[in-house]
Amino acid sequence: AQSVTQPDIHITVSEGASLELRCNYSYGATPYLFWYVQSPGQGLQLLLKYFSGDTLVQGIKGFEAEFKRSQSSFNLRKPSVHWSDAAEYFCAVGGTGGGADGLTFGKGTHLIIQP
Amino acid sequence: NAGVTQTPKFQVLKTGQSMTLQCAQDMNHNSMYWYRQDPGMGLRLIYYSASEGTTDKGEVPNGYNVSRLNKREFSLRLESAAPSQTSVYFCAGGIGNTIYFGEGSWLTVV
Repeated sequence: AQSVTQPDIHITVSEGASLELRCNYSYGATPYLFWYVQSPGQGLQLLLKYFSGDTLVQGIKGFEAEFKRSQSSFNLRKPSVHWSDAAEYFCAVGGTGGGADGLTFGKGTHLIIQP
Repeated sequence: NAGVTQTPKFQVLKTGQSMTLQCAQDMNHNSMYWYRQDPGMGLRLIYYSASEGTTDKGEVPNGYNVSRLNKREFSLRLESAAPSQTSVYFCAGGIGNTIYFGEGSWLTVV
């Protein structure tokens, strides 16, 4: 069975500092990988996704993520965070066999931005 | 989140009552999903519909039923609500592996 681990429940970063959110996955084949962001009281917005090809993927809002097969990781990064980046971030994994059976999500990382 | 609409946004139910959460998408997605979100648990899949006319159980289906009324609409029904079903419910639509979420429905069962 596929699974996703986000080791950090909370992360606090100063505004303007760099950010890295960790994600490790377990999947028996080549995975599809996603990062979503959720602001308070809102739904989930897709930040970026990896299906194949270049292992460094660019997303919206200045985020990027790197797929490392050897480490089963898909960490999210941003060079300089803004106060508006404070939110909950979810990593998710999906299968490549057609894909209609949904995604498996991690439990999320809550990002706090210090002024 | 544009394109996936859920109603109602907020609902309070008494234990044992029934209700249906409605979801409609206008993005021509083949697949539709219902997830629930609980603190510290992430999102868990309740039911999904890979295409019109089909539905399948997800990770946490007990206590729920679904109907894929047509390609656009996918409803979630609680036949006899329990306090354990207090949660935020998200409907989503998808093509292939990319899923797009609605704004959520906050349900409290007292």
